[in-house]
Amino acid sequence: GAVVSQHPSRVICKSGTSVKIECRSLDFQATTMFWYRQFPKKSLMLMATSNEGSKATYEQGVEKDKFLINHASLTLSTLTVTSAHPEDSSFYICSATLTETEAFFGQGTRLTVV
Amino acid sequence: GQNIDQPTEMTATEGAIVQINCTYQTSGFNGLFWYQQHAGEAPTFLSYNVLDGLEEKGRFSSFLSRSKGYSYLLLKELQMKDSASYLCAVRDSNYQLIWGAGTKLIIKP
Repeated sequence: GAVVSQHPSRVICKSGTSVKIECRSLDFQATTMFWYRQFPKKSLMLMATSNEGSKATYEQGVEKDKFLINHASLTLSTLTVTSAHPEDSSFYICSATLTETEAFFGQGTRLTVV
Repeated sequence: GQNIDQPTEMTATEGAIVQINCTYQTSGFNGLFWYQQHAGEAPTFLSYNVLDGLEEKGRFSSFLSRSKGYSYLLLKELQMKDSASYLCAVRDSNYQLIWGAGTKLIIKP
Protein backbone atom coordinates (compact mmCIF):
# COMPACT_ATOMS: atom_id res chain seq x y z
CA GLY A 1 0.00 0.00 0.00
CA ALA A 2 0.89 3.66 -0.23
CA VAL A 3 3.22 5.08 2.40
CA VAL A 4 3.00 8.38 4.17
CA SER A 5 5.96 9.29 6.32
CA GLN A 6 5.68 11.82 9.12
CA HIS A 7 8.61 13.27 11.00
CA PRO A 8 9.44 13.67 13.82
CA SER A 9 7.48 11.04 15.73
CA ARG A 10 8.11 12.78 19.04
CA VAL A 11 9.23 16.27 19.88
CA ILE A 12 9.61 18.21 23.09
CA CYS A 13 10.01 21.94 22.81
CA LYS A 14 10.11 24.94 25.09
CA SER A 15 7.18 27.26 25.35
CA GLY A 16 7.46 30.11 22.84
CA THR A 17 9.48 28.21 20.26
CA SER A 18 8.30 26.89 16.91
CA VAL A 19 8.14 23.30 15.75
CA LYS A 20 7.95 22.00 12.19
CA ILE A 21 6.34 18.67 11.35
CA GLU A 22 6.87 17.12 7.93
CA CYS A 23 4.53 14.82 6.05
CA ARG A 24 5.75 13.05 2.94
CA SER A 25 4.01 10.74 0.51
CA LEU A 26 6.78 8.31 -0.39
CA ASP A 27 5.47 6.47 -3.40
CA PHE A 28 2.66 8.57 -4.76
CA GLN A 29 1.84 12.18 -5.47
CA ALA A 30 -0.60 13.78 -3.10
CA THR A 31 -2.18 16.98 -4.31
CA THR A 32 -4.16 17.12 -1.08
CA MET A 33 -3.05 16.27 2.43
CA PHE A 34 -4.91 16.63 5.68
CA TRP A 35 -3.70 17.61 9.11
CA TYR A 36 -5.44 16.29 12.19
CA ARG A 37 -5.06 16.82 15.88
CA GLN A 38 -6.03 14.22 18.43
CA PHE A 39 -6.46 14.70 22.15
CA PRO A 40 -6.28 11.69 24.48
CA LYS A 41 -9.33 9.44 24.16
CA LYS A 42 -10.85 11.82 21.64
CA SER A 43 -11.65 11.67 17.98
CA LEU A 44 -9.44 12.96 15.21
CA MET A 45 -10.08 16.65 14.65
CA LEU A 46 -9.43 18.00 11.18
CA MET A 47 -7.32 21.13 11.42
CA ALA A 48 -6.76 21.97 7.79
CA THR A 49 -6.66 20.73 4.25
CA SER A 50 -3.35 21.29 2.55
CA ASN A 51 -3.41 21.84 -1.21
CA GLU A 52 -0.27 21.69 -3.30
CA GLY A 53 0.62 25.08 -4.71
CA SER A 54 -2.11 26.99 -2.94
CA LYS A 55 -3.14 28.15 0.50
CA ALA A 56 -4.39 25.66 3.02
CA THR A 57 -8.03 25.59 4.01
CA TYR A 58 -8.41 25.83 7.76
CA GLU A 59 -11.30 24.51 9.81
CA GLN A 60 -13.29 26.86 11.95
CA GLY A 61 -11.55 27.68 15.19
CA VAL A 62 -8.05 26.77 13.96
CA GLU A 63 -5.66 29.72 13.99
CA LYS A 64 -3.94 29.86 10.63
CA ASP A 65 -1.23 32.18 11.93
CA LYS A 66 -0.37 29.73 14.65
CA PHE A 67 -0.53 26.55 12.60
CA LEU A 68 1.30 27.35 9.39
CA ILE A 69 0.86 24.87 6.59
CA ASN A 70 2.99 24.72 3.48
CA HIS A 71 2.47 22.27 0.64
CA ALA A 72 5.30 23.18 -1.68
CA SER A 73 5.46 19.95 -3.65
CA LEU A 74 3.29 16.99 -4.55
CA THR A 75 5.02 14.85 -1.94
CA LEU A 76 5.59 17.18 1.00
CA SER A 77 3.40 19.15 3.34
CA THR A 78 4.65 20.79 6.52
CA LEU A 79 2.86 21.98 9.63
CA THR A 80 4.65 24.56 11.76
CA VAL A 81 3.34 25.23 15.23
CA THR A 82 4.50 28.76 15.96
CA SER A 83 5.09 30.16 19.43
CA ALA A 84 4.05 26.88 20.96
CA HIS A 85 2.37 26.77 24.35
CA PRO A 86 1.62 23.85 26.66
CA GLU A 87 -1.99 23.74 25.43
CA ASP A 88 -0.63 22.92 21.95
CA SER A 89 0.69 19.63 23.31
CA SER A 90 -1.13 16.94 21.37
CA PHE A 91 -0.86 14.16 18.82
CA TYR A 92 -0.71 15.55 15.29
CA ILE A 93 -1.40 13.28 12.32
CA CYS A 94 -1.26 13.89 8.60
CA SER A 95 -2.97 11.90 5.90
CA ALA A 96 -3.08 11.76 2.13
CA THR A 97 -5.72 10.25 -0.11
CA LEU A 98 -4.60 8.02 -2.94
CA THR A 99 -7.97 6.75 -4.07
CA GLU A 100 -11.60 7.41 -3.24
CA THR A 101 -11.62 4.59 -0.74
CA GLU A 102 -8.46 4.94 1.29
CA ALA A 103 -6.65 7.59 3.25
CA PHE A 104 -3.12 6.80 4.33
CA PHE A 105 -1.84 8.22 7.56
CA GLY A 106 1.56 9.27 8.72
CA GLN A 107 2.88 7.78 11.93
CA GLY A 108 1.82 10.81 13.92
CA THR A 109 3.83 13.30 15.96
CA ARG A 110 3.57 13.53 19.72
CA LEU A 111 4.26 17.17 20.58
CA THR A 112 4.99 18.12 24.18
CA VAL A 113 5.47 21.78 25.00
CA VAL A 114 7.16 22.44 28.32
CA GLY B 1 -25.22 19.19 13.13
CA GLN B 2 -23.16 16.22 12.12
CA ASN B 3 -22.75 13.36 14.54
CA ILE B 4 -21.15 9.95 14.72
CA ASP B 5 -21.97 7.69 17.65
CA GLN B 6 -20.14 4.59 18.70
CA PRO B 7 -19.70 2.91 22.09
CA THR B 8 -16.83 4.20 24.16
CA GLU B 9 -15.51 0.84 25.25
CA MET B 10 -16.17 -2.85 24.73
CA THR B 11 -14.66 -6.00 26.18
CA ALA B 12 -14.47 -9.38 24.50
CA THR B 13 -12.72 -12.71 24.93
CA GLU B 14 -9.90 -14.06 22.80
CA GLY B 15 -11.26 -16.31 20.07
CA ALA B 16 -14.75 -14.83 20.25
CA ILE B 17 -16.67 -12.49 17.94
CA VAL B 18 -17.44 -8.83 18.63
CA GLN B 19 -19.61 -6.32 16.80
CA ILE B 20 -18.90 -2.60 17.07
CA ASN B 21 -21.79 -0.39 16.05
CA CYS B 22 -21.71 3.07 14.53
CA THR B 23 -24.66 5.36 13.85
CA TYR B 24 -24.35 8.61 11.98
CA GLN B 25 -26.20 11.77 11.03
CA THR B 26 -24.31 13.76 8.42
CA SER B 27 -24.95 16.26 5.65
CA GLY B 28 -24.85 13.87 2.77
CA PHE B 29 -23.06 10.56 2.51
CA ASN B 30 -20.13 9.54 0.36
CA GLY B 31 -18.88 6.46 2.12
CA LEU B 32 -18.14 5.10 5.57
CA PHE B 33 -14.73 4.02 6.79
CA TRP B 34 -13.48 1.91 9.65
CA TYR B 35 -9.99 2.41 11.02
CA GLN B 36 -7.99 0.64 13.71
CA GLN B 37 -5.81 2.72 15.99
CA HIS B 38 -3.37 1.30 18.52
CA ALA B 39 -2.43 3.55 21.40
CA GLY B 40 0.06 6.22 20.37
CA GLU B 41 -0.10 5.29 16.70
CA ALA B 42 -1.86 6.65 13.65
CA PRO B 43 -5.04 4.99 12.37
CA THR B 44 -4.79 2.21 9.81
CA PHE B 45 -7.46 1.55 7.21
CA LEU B 46 -9.73 -1.46 7.72
CA SER B 47 -12.72 -1.11 5.43
CA TYR B 48 -14.84 1.10 3.22
CA ASN B 49 -18.60 0.85 2.55
CA VAL B 50 -20.55 3.03 0.18
CA LEU B 51 -23.38 0.65 -0.78
CA ASP B 52 -25.69 -1.21 1.57
CA GLY B 53 -24.58 -4.64 2.61
CA LEU B 54 -21.71 -6.57 4.04
CA GLU B 55 -18.07 -6.27 3.00
CA GLU B 56 -15.89 -9.13 4.19
CA LYS B 57 -12.13 -8.98 4.49
CA GLY B 58 -10.60 -11.87 6.32
CA ARG B 59 -11.50 -11.81 10.01
CA PHE B 60 -13.05 -8.37 9.67
CA SER B 61 -16.40 -7.54 8.07
CA SER B 62 -18.21 -4.24 7.81
CA PHE B 63 -21.91 -3.69 7.23
CA LEU B 64 -23.77 -0.60 6.07
CA SER B 65 -27.41 0.46 6.02
CA ARG B 66 -27.70 3.93 4.55
CA SER B 67 -31.43 4.21 5.21
CA LYS B 68 -30.80 3.60 8.92
CA GLY B 69 -27.59 5.61 9.14
CA TYR B 70 -25.96 2.56 10.64
CA SER B 71 -22.85 0.49 10.27
CA TYR B 72 -21.08 -2.18 12.22
CA LEU B 73 -17.63 -3.69 12.24
CA LEU B 74 -17.54 -7.40 12.98
CA LEU B 75 -14.34 -8.95 14.24
CA LYS B 76 -14.10 -12.74 14.32
CA GLU B 77 -11.62 -15.10 15.99
CA LEU B 78 -10.40 -12.30 18.19
CA GLN B 79 -6.71 -12.11 18.94
CA MET B 80 -4.95 -10.19 21.68
CA LYS B 81 -3.41 -7.91 19.05
CA ASP B 82 -6.92 -6.74 18.13
CA SER B 83 -6.97 -4.72 21.34
CA ALA B 84 -7.14 -1.20 19.96
CA SER B 85 -9.51 1.66 19.29
CA TYR B 86 -11.80 1.33 16.28
CA LEU B 87 -12.80 4.55 14.58
CA CYS B 88 -15.85 5.02 12.40
CA ALA B 89 -15.70 7.89 9.91
CA VAL B 90 -18.24 9.15 7.36
CA ARG B 91 -17.45 11.20 4.31
CA ASP B 92 -20.06 13.89 3.90
CA SER B 93 -21.39 15.75 0.88
CA ASN B 94 -18.33 18.02 0.91
CA TYR B 95 -16.09 14.97 0.89
CA GLN B 96 -14.92 15.73 4.40
CA LEU B 97 -14.35 12.92 6.87
CA ILE B 98 -16.42 13.19 10.02
CA TRP B 99 -14.90 11.06 12.76
CA GLY B 100 -16.44 9.18 15.64
CA ALA B 101 -14.66 9.26 18.99
CA GLY B 102 -13.64 5.63 18.63
CA THR B 103 -14.46 2.43 20.50
CA LYS B 104 -11.77 1.05 22.74
CA LEU B 105 -11.81 -2.73 22.41
CA ILE B 106 -10.29 -4.72 25.25
CA ILE B 107 -9.53 -8.39 24.57
CA LYS B 108 -9.24 -10.72 27.54
CA PRO B 109 -7.60 -14.15 27.48
